[in-house]
Amino acid sequence: DVKVTQSSRYLVKRTGEKVFLECVQDMDHENMFWYRQDPGLGLRLIYFSYDVKMKEKGDIPEGYSVSREKKERFSLILESASTNQTSMYLCASSSPQGGATEAFFGQGTRLTVV
Amino acid sequence: AQTVTQSQPEMSVQEAETVTLSCTYDTSESNYYLFWYKQPPSRQMILVIRQEAYKQQNATENRFSVNFQKAAKSFSLKISDSQLGDTAMYFCAFIPMNRDDKIIFGKGTRLHILP
Repeated sequence: DVKVTQSSRYLVKRTGEKVFLECVQDMDHENMFWYRQDPGLGLRLIYFSYDVKMKEKGDIPEGYSVSREKKERFSLILESASTNQTSMYLCASSSPQGGATEAFFGQGTRLTVV
Repeated sequence: AQTVTQSQPEMSVQEAETVTLSCTYDTSESNYYLFWYKQPPSRQMILVIRQEAYKQQNATENRFSVNFQKAAKSFSLKISDSQLGDTAMYFCAFIPMNRDDKIIFGKGTRLHILP
């Protein structure tokens, strides 16, 4: 059974804190993604990575950074959390090999910044 | 730039009815995948159905089927005999084939199945 696991389901942080959201996949996928989901805006891509130590900016990278030191783990970092980063964060992984390509998602982390 | 548009923010249908969710996309690619994802309330996003652009035959998965019109860049999802468990957000998504590239999602359609 394939799995993408996000470290927290719910998180409450204070403005200005450094926040780490962790994501681990057990499918040996090359590609990993961080999306932000807000009502009426759908899923917006923050960053994605297609290999270890590689990263690409998505549509809304400002205020975020990422780290991928190992193939199975992709971390999203909020350098200094702000209230406008209150949102649902979704991690996903996929592989361009073998024609699968579909993304598998984690359960999401609902982050509240107060 | 590639875009995915879902024109119906919200829909409601009675249980057992058939419902169609619309999706259009814009791309200059000739080979790509299209997907419909389902996100039930407070639950994980899961894949409903996928379509390879080079296949003319429309994909089907039990009660779920698509109407893929490549020339029109249209990819609608039909749910037959709708059930209460079909209540969810539905996202249409696109990715070019065989490239390390991002998956692009539409803004979603919130579907309510009414008893």
